[in-house]
Amino acid sequence: SAVISQKPSRDICQRGTSLTIQCQVDSQVTMMFWYRQQPGQSLTLIATANQGSEATYESGFVIDKFPISRPNLTFSTLTVSNMSPEDSSIYLCSVVRGSSYEQYFGPGTRLTVT
Amino acid sequence: GIQVEQSPPDLILQEGANSTLRCNFSDSVNNLQWFHQNPWGQLINLFYIPSGTKQNGRLSATTVATERYSLLYISSSQTTDSGVYFCAVPGNNFNKFYFGSGTKLNVKP
Repeated sequence: SAVISQKPSRDICQRGTSLTIQCQVDSQVTMMFWYRQQPGQSLTLIATANQGSEATYESGFVIDKFPISRPNLTFSTLTVSNMSPEDSSIYLCSVVRGSSYEQYFGPGTRLTVT
Repeated sequence: GIQVEQSPPDLILQEGANSTLRCNFSDSVNNLQWFHQNPWGQLINLFYIPSGTKQNGRLSATTVATERYSLLYISSSQTTDSGVYFCAVPGNNFNKFYFGSGTKLNVKP
C-alpha cells in the first residue's frame, strides 16, 4: 500500500487566482498521476507527473493551465492557474508502486471557485 | 483507449440486501481494480484482481479476463457501503488507467 497526503484538503478561491496542490507519498513510487473529478462525474486524468522532466498531459489539458512539478520520487505539485468556476472539482493524486501496477489515491483536494 | 462500462449506474438497496455490480472492458487487460469512493470523496482500494475470485469480508470480486468483465458482490449491505464504486484498468502501455463511470449505491436503513 501507500500513505499519501494532499494539501490543502479544501479551498475556496476567487476566479482569476491560482492554487497549488501538494501530494506527498511515504516512500518512493514508480508513477504519479493527477486527476480531476467534476461533481457527479468519474475521474479524468489530467497528466502523468514525470520525475525530473515535463509532465505528460492528456488531451484537453495544457501545461499553462495545469503546471505540474515532480522534483523527486515522493512529491509532486499541481497548480490550477487563472481559475474559473468551471475548475471547481475534486483534484486527486494517485501513485503506482512496484511491478503490480496497483494504484493508490490521496484523500483529494476539494476546490470551489467563486 | 480502453472503454470501461459499469452497470447499473445507480442502485438503491435496503440494508441487508445483496447486490452485484458489473464492469465490462473493451480490450484484454493485465489487471483490474475496484474502488469505493465514500461520501467525503476518498477513494478506497477494494480489490486488485487481474483474474479469479477474491473475498474480503462481505465483499467479493470475480474477474473473467478472457470474457472481459469483472463483478463486485456486496452481501448483507450496510449504510456505510453507500457511495460510488469504480472499476479501473491500465492501458496497454501501462502509462495510464481507464475508469468506468461508476455505480452510485445508496443503502437505506
